[in-house]
Amino acid sequence: QVQLQESGPRLVKPSETLSLTCTVSGDSISTYFWSWIRQPPGKGLEWIGYIYYSGSTNFNPSLKSRASMSVDTSKYQFSLKLSSVTAADTAVYFCARMQLGYYFDHWGQGTLVTVSS
Amino acid sequence: EIVMTQSPATLSVSPGERATLSCRASQSVSSNLAWYQQKPGQAPRLLIYGASSRATGIPARFSGSGSGTEFTLAIDSLQSEDFAVYYCQQYNYWPMYTFGQGTRLEIK
Repeated sequence: QVQLQESGPRLVKPSETLSLTCTVSGDSISTYFWSWIRQPPGKGLEWIGYIYYSGSTNFNPSLKSRASMSVDTSKYQFSLKLSSVTAADTAVYFCARMQLGYYFDHWGQGTLVTVSS
Repeated sequence: EIVMTQSPATLSVSPGERATLSCRASQSVSSNLAWYQQKPGQAPRLLIYGASSRATGIPARFSGSGSGTEFTLAIDSLQSEDFAVYYCQQYNYWPMYTFGQGTRLEIK
């Protein structure tokens, strides 16, 4: 059974860069697309971007200029960086596996990242 | 941008009854629609993909229907564990994916 686990700092200062890593277990990372999705407290879901094991990426246009992703297949990990964060970036960040690159069939438990000085 | 609109925002239904949740797309998404269930403090769980196909391990009381711009998630014989927030998501316009704002299903 595939499992995903997010890790990274829970508190980030405004204007700095948010960095998160997702560790995948129970399945090959080299078969699927992998995404980051976020959910501000009490609000809905927003897709941030995806990465394929080859390293190809695609991002939500609303975040494209600030987001980047990378993958390390040897460590079964993929990562998100979001630059120039503000309080509006405070959210629970989920990593998720994409089936066929279309929908999200396995999710991490999520990690709350707060942007505050 | 494709906008997904869910209704109602909150639905109150008694246990054992049937719940019907709606999702409308601002443009046709064919059958490229998924439904998720999210309980407090948990990650979303995939229920339905392809508008009507149940994901692995999802009980038969969950069913999805619709195509184009109008979609429905029906839950028969509501169990206590079914009360949660439900989201629809389109993937017709990949690689851009958008979710609805959610419907909260509460106990009446």
